Amino acid sequence: EPEVTQTPSHQVTQMGQEVILRCVPISNHLYFYWYRQILGQKVEFLVSFYNNEISEKSEIFDDQFSVERPDGSNFTLKIRSTKLEDSAMYFCASNREGASEAFFGQGTRLTVV
Amino acid sequence: AQSVTQLGSHVSVSEGALVLLRCNYSSSVPPYLFWYVQYPNQGLQLLLKYTSAATLVKGINGFEAEFKKSETSFHLTKPSAHMSDAAEYFCAVSEGTAGNKLTFGGGTRVLVKP
Repeated sequence: EPEVTQTPSHQVTQMGQEVILRCVPISNHLYFYWYRQILGQKVEFLVSFYNNEISEKSEIFDDQFSVERPDGSNFTLKIRSTKLEDSAMYFCASNREGASEAFFGQGTRLTVV
Repeated sequence: AQSVTQLGSHVSVSEGALVLLRCNYSSSVPPYLFWYVQYPNQGLQLLLKYTSAATLVKGINGFEAEFKKSETSFHLTKPSAHMSDAAEYFCAVSEGTAGNKLTFGGGTRVLVKP
């Protein structure tokens, strides 16, 4: 069964460093998302991406964040200069055209120290 | 703006007992509603969805949910809990089909006692 895959599963980084979280959405999906879940809090929407551009972003998604689809399969989230409060589980998700349900990856646990 | 409220951050049920997880939403447009489950150290898996068809929706693993517009609710039930149902459950709402973000509730962690 097709699935969304995310790498790495865990990432520890020092404050101020750049990180790139990687996702491979399901191959025939066209809509891509990043969400995050800070420990003990809700899953929060960060950004949606369609047709090679951001379609919507939340207030959380400030200038420190960027997304990219560098090739036909990968979808990345970059955090330019990490802060302690960026520590969270980051989920990638994707939808196919016309479908309401999003499929989620296993998540990347980011720890900023 | 949309929002989701899940009553009870933790629910404890005995094996074989009814599981009832409550979800209330607010939405300015007819909502699409979802329940996702997260098992330990795993991602979010779709349990079921409501997209304006039948108000009683059946999902995987014996779960079902009923959309009640008058109560703005979408409660999740399972008649008989199994040990494998121990997980965290998230209710979510979106404004439509693909391309629309999900807004999640706070989650309810289910503990199943033998």
